[in-house]
Amino acid sequence: RKEVEQDPGPFNVPEGATVAFNCTYSNSASQSFFWYRQDCRKEPKLLMSVYSSGNEDGRFTAQLNRASQYISLLIRDSKLSDSATYLCVVNRDDKIIFGKGTRLHILP
Amino acid sequence: ETGVTQTPRHLVMGMTNKKSLKCEQHLGHNAMYWYKQSAKKPLELMFVYSLEERVENNSVPSRFSPECPNSSHLFLHLHTLQPEDSALYLCASSQSGGLFRRPGAAFFGQGTRLTVV
Repeated sequence: RKEVEQDPGPFNVPEGATVAFNCTYSNSASQSFFWYRQDCRKEPKLLMSVYSSGNEDGRFTAQLNRASQYISLLIRDSKLSDSATYLCVVNRDDKIIFGKGTRLHILP
Repeated sequence: ETGVTQTPRHLVMGMTNKKSLKCEQHLGHNAMYWYKQSAKKPLELMFVYSLEERVENNSVPSRFSPECPNSSHLFLHLHTLQPEDSALYLCASSQSGGLFRRPGAAFFGQGTRLTVV
């Protein structure tokens, strides 16, 4: 079983819609959790950290459920510029593991 | 822009060549990483250095040899590579966790796009 699992998609969503991504992790000793965004042929960039108390940044909301080992990302009022691959990431003792990513296409 | 710089950005090398990739971080972090990303594949963690000690070697072939002379610099020495080693090689840095602090997020350089011919 992979340490971080995500639905690869693609998700094809009309502009303005709300889209939700989910991710599960297998190692309960994981300490920190993040969502990254990666555009084609570019390096991954940190989108936001994820906490059990939830974290909101504008149109983006992330949530961690430690009991279920489940991480979510919600994007509201999606924009064309949100089209990218979204990567779920865990850090356990400085071993930073990336999921395979979920591809999102926002349709005009 | 991100505080992590990699050189060169592009590299073409023959299978008998020896080359090195360089990474430098200006973020004051104490952990550094090499990742490999092949076309349409996820990031694969290759090596982790924390406080200048290698803490992870993810079953990487010996033709890849990392070096971390200090917390700001990381090298990846390449020799006798194979065509299947062609990929984007990404360096990242982060702040290690501590007794009262969770480990931080990774910040990436722009990568070296390597082609082995």
